[in-house]
Amino acid sequence: QKEVEQNSGPLSVPEGAIASLNCTYSDRGSQSFFWYRQYSGKSPELIMFIYSNGDKEDGRFTAQLNKASQYVSLLIRDSQPSDSATYLCAVTFSGGFKTIFGAGTRLFVKA
Amino acid sequence: EPEVTQTPSHQVTQMGQEVILRCVPISNHLYFYWYRQILGQKVEFLVSFYNNEISEKSEIFDDQFSVERPDGSNFTLKIRSTKLEDSAMYFCASSDPLVDNEQFFGPGTRLTVL
Repeated sequence: QKEVEQNSGPLSVPEGAIASLNCTYSDRGSQSFFWYRQYSGKSPELIMFIYSNGDKEDGRFTAQLNKASQYVSLLIRDSQPSDSATYLCAVTFSGGFKTIFGAGTRLFVKA
Repeated sequence: EPEVTQTPSHQVTQMGQEVILRCVPISNHLYFYWYRQILGQKVEFLVSFYNNEISEKSEIFDDQFSVERPDGSNFTLKIRSTKLEDSAMYFCASSDPLVDNEQFFGPGTRLTVL
């Protein structure tokens, strides 16, 4: 059974701080790693994807992947109240045809 | 910006009835997916579809579920005999594997089975 684990939170950070979100996955055959943001009652919105070990930066977001540790993280710099949402880690297997989501981490950014 | 659309936004049905949820993927995408999310729970993969056939399906996607691409634009999920536990948000997604295989989600259909 392929699993994707996330701390459910809530994670609370002050405005302007760095939010750090973590995810582990069980299958070493995992190929692609995605971070989605989901506001209450809305659909998941893709923030970032990463395939290779190391860091990938896009604006205020940095994704980090460590395949040896089966760990992927998302850093949000200069957190804003509008970043308050549930962040979903997703891992793709099987040639990209199957994606497993973690349960999500709720983030609150306090103004 | 192109987007995935889904209809209806909310569907209410009686237990045992058949429902069809409709999706229009992004036009140049080749891979299509259905997910569901029961209220307060995680997003669950149901099925992926490519080249007019199912590529992968989960254990949730049993014989009461089916998918179809009836024409060049629509992608549908049929639930043959709905159960109370089928009540959930159903999300359609599409991706272009030539562009990093990022999946773009539609707004969802809320299915309520009474």
